Amino acid sequence: AQSVTQLDSHVSVSEGTPVLLRCNYSSSYSPSLFWYVQHPNKGLQLLLKYTSAATLVKGINGFEAEFKKSETSFHLTKPSAHMSDAAEYFCVVSEGNFNKFYFGSGTKLNVKP
Amino acid sequence: DAGVIQSPRHEVTEMGQEVTLRCKPISGHNSLFWYRQTMMRGLELLIYFNNNVPIDDSGMPEDRFSAKMPNASFSTLKIQPSEPRDSAVYFCASTLGPTNTEAFFGQGTRLTVV
Repeated sequence: AQSVTQLDSHVSVSEGTPVLLRCNYSSSYSPSLFWYVQHPNKGLQLLLKYTSAATLVKGINGFEAEFKKSETSFHLTKPSAHMSDAAEYFCVVSEGNFNKFYFGSGTKLNVKP
Repeated sequence: DAGVIQSPRHEVTEMGQEVTLRCKPISGHNSLFWYRQTMMRGLELLIYFNNNVPIDDSGMPEDRFSAKMPNASFSTLKIQPSEPRDSAVYFCASTLGPTNTEAFFGQGTRLTVV
């Protein structure tokens, strides 16, 4: 069975400091993993994806994530937070022949001036 | 491509009325998903289609909910009769498929049932 656990429901950082949003998954298959971002009252936008190529994945807006199979983790990082990064972030795993997606519960990132 | 298009963006209706939400996936995509987002439950997968065929509707909460995909470029989610607890944002997403591809989301329909 597939599942995604986002360990923090809320993360607060100061502008210019690093961001770490944690995600652990369980999957019976070789998973595809994604991070999506949702700004208030907006749809979901893909940040980055892992599909069994390089384990360190770079995405948009300076975000990156590292796939660690031994830890079943796919944490999202950014070296320096910007005010515009304040949003909700979802970790997603997909599996199976029909690309079914499983969403984590989301982490709300607050960026303080 | 204009992306996944959902309509209406906002819908306010009275309890007991029928509500129909619409989705146009990205041209060429062969999988389509309907999600519901609420504060309490987060993002829930309601149903998904592959090549216009419903593959898994186990997430549809009740018989009041139904979804169709009559062709590759159009899908509907219908709630009849609607209830206040159906108030949520409903997202449609499509993927090129079949595996390892990202989902592209529409802007969502904010449904309020009063």
